[in-house]
Amino acid sequence: GENVEQHPSTLSVQEGDSAVIKCTYSDSASNYFPWYKQELGKGPQLIIDIRSNVGEKKDQRIAVTLNKTAKHFSLHITETQPEDSAVYFCAASPSGSARQLTFGSGTQLTVLP
Amino acid sequence: NAGVTQTPKFQVLKTGQSMTLQCAQDMNHNSMYWYRQDPGMGLRLIYYSASEGTTDKGEVPNGYNVSRLNKREFSLRLESAAPSQTSVYFCASTLGRRFMNTEAFFGQGTRLTVV
Repeated sequence: GENVEQHPSTLSVQEGDSAVIKCTYSDSASNYFPWYKQELGKGPQLIIDIRSNVGEKKDQRIAVTLNKTAKHFSLHITETQPEDSAVYFCAASPSGSARQLTFGSGTQLTVLP
Repeated sequence: NAGVTQTPKFQVLKTGQSMTLQCAQDMNHNSMYWYRQDPGMGLRLIYYSASEGTTDKGEVPNGYNVSRLNKREFSLRLESAAPSQTSVYFCASTLGRRFMNTEAFFGQGTRLTVV
């Protein structure tokens, strides 16, 4: 089955700096890669996703890049703000179905004012 | 519009006790899911219901049962709780069957401790 590794497990940045979280996956058939943000005491919320026919996708301060050859994808947050502090999860799936969605272990991002 | 509502938010059980976690969504979604979240392990799928009247096992179904009571409600039952079931449980729902084509909405979670 799919195995998703996520790094780093914790990340602290100064407000205004950029943050990068990286994930690698093992199943070459995976073609759907979502990112979730989980704030304290809340459930995960989808913030961006990318599919295998796209190399990069942006949404305001958030971007995701995908390298299918190397089997890794990354989340980039620019101009970080204190409200970006949360746990971020990457995931991968060969079909986009929940049954085959494998999550990474999470990254605790702290944005220091 | 409440979205996905889970009850209770916190629960402490003794080993061997049983309990049911409740989940309800008001978005007229077809598919519902139960996940558990453990430190350093991300989320793992326990059971899911692609549509009303159907349920299927996920990655870690042992020790759990589910009921899709109607389109709105999907419950998770622990018949004989074990310390290994100490976790945070999340319910989620989607309009369609595939996360790729439809956004998943998660509840706020139930923190369960089994002593």
